[in-house]
Amino acid sequence: NAGVTQTPKFQVLKTGQSMTLQCAQDMNHNSMYWYRQDPGMGLRLIYYSASEGTTDKGEVPNGYNVSRLNKREFSLRLESAAPSQTSVYFCASCVFTGELFFGEGSRLTVL
Amino acid sequence: KQEVTQIPAALSVPEGENLVLNCSFTDSAIYNLQWFRQDPGKGLTSLLLIQSSQREQTSGRLNASLDKSSGRSTLYIAASQPGDSATYLCAVLDSGTYKYIFGTGTRLKVLA
Repeated sequence: NAGVTQTPKFQVLKTGQSMTLQCAQDMNHNSMYWYRQDPGMGLRLIYYSASEGTTDKGEVPNGYNVSRLNKREFSLRLESAAPSQTSVYFCASCVFTGELFFGEGSRLTVL
Repeated sequence: KQEVTQIPAALSVPEGENLVLNCSFTDSAIYNLQWFRQDPGKGLTSLLLIQSSQREQTSGRLNASLDKSSGRSTLYIAASQPGDSATYLCAVLDSGTYKYIFGTGTRLKVLA
């Protein structure tokens, strides 16, 4: 089982460029999450999807959009990247109230 | 709004010590609490999951307890080893929002 797969693992962008982080899980989980992790700030929730077709904002949604394409895939889009979005991004998934599983992370640098 | 706090932020202990990491949360309405380990530059690995109806969970040298009414959880690590050096994070699944909320973590260093 691959678990939770994120792509790309590394990305460098210039200010104003756009990109999409992809996430896919093969565990038939209904809930999926996007977090960002910055030094000293733990993991902060960007967006959340309880099931296919639904999404909800987390603590820090500004500057991001998400798409729950189907049950397996949950993508995070930066429409106009800013240096403040330099971070490590993690995707995670779980069954409704169950154990949370993480991808390996995507390291994004915005110059 | 649910908030999760972990104290201390960093901890350094000699090998062999038993130690306790603390996690507190402000709203007792949770479905579960989960402890994770994160090595530098890596993702998060689940250690223990405690459902809201449970008081504790054990895995090897790790024991996690949950006191939902007081908003506290502890992770007990027995006979610590240098390989236990990592950041430990706790997260609660908030039952009002169905979202996992994380603490900022405790960075543990076990000295040989």
